[in-house]
Amino acid sequence: GAGVSQSPRYKVAKRGQDVALRCDPISGHVSLFWYQQALGQGPEFLTYFQNEAQLDKSGLPSDRFFAERPEGSVSTLKIQRTQQEDSAVYLCASSPSSGGKRNKETQYFGPGTRLLVL
Amino acid sequence: AQSVTQPDIHITVSEGASLELRCNYSYGATPYLFWYVQSPGQGLQLLLKYFSGDTLVQGIKGFEAEFKRSQSSFNLRKPSVHWSDAAEYFCAVGVSNFGNEKLTFGTGTRLTIIP
Repeated sequence: GAGVSQSPRYKVAKRGQDVALRCDPISGHVSLFWYQQALGQGPEFLTYFQNEAQLDKSGLPSDRFFAERPEGSVSTLKIQRTQQEDSAVYLCASSPSSGGKRNKETQYFGPGTRLLVL
Repeated sequence: AQSVTQPDIHITVSEGASLELRCNYSYGATPYLFWYVQSPGQGLQLLLKYFSGDTLVQGIKGFEAEFKRSQSSFNLRKPSVHWSDAAEYFCAVGVSNFGNEKLTFGTGTRLTIIP
């Protein structure tokens, strides 16, 4: 079946521009995550959705970052007034929910959007 | 706070040789541990995961990992590497928060395979 897809795959923005990155999770997956991967680093958690509810946004680096998932499927990560330090690969992951206190389901990652801010 | 350390930034191995990638974690509760592989331009693919039980975990592509609580380690091994194993490998710990398991990753180990 189809995996997690992200668009665009590459985005070049001038400093100060707003950008919107899209994530299409695997159909039926309850959980959706956004991660930021800087060059030469491991991914870092940004935010988490359970259906349409954003339950954890502790990793968003500033109030310029905003994420939404209004219908509990597609998600958009928006970055306002982009800065050079925002240049990174933005990864989206989704997983089903296994219920219980801890989720043991695998997170499936998309190919990422590579953002370059000039 | 939780953290993951991958002490080897880059490892070079001959094709057919054995491989061990090191991972140490710090987490106050019961750790959920993962190894992911990332090829250029690709997303992260799960190799294996550990939640509880048998400390030796088998994964895809012939990889295995052993959880050692006393050493806070979760090292990845493969008895004989193939050229197609060249990639970036990430160890991660799952951190339970609001019912989700957000992942904290190490900085990765880049694996190069030589003929």
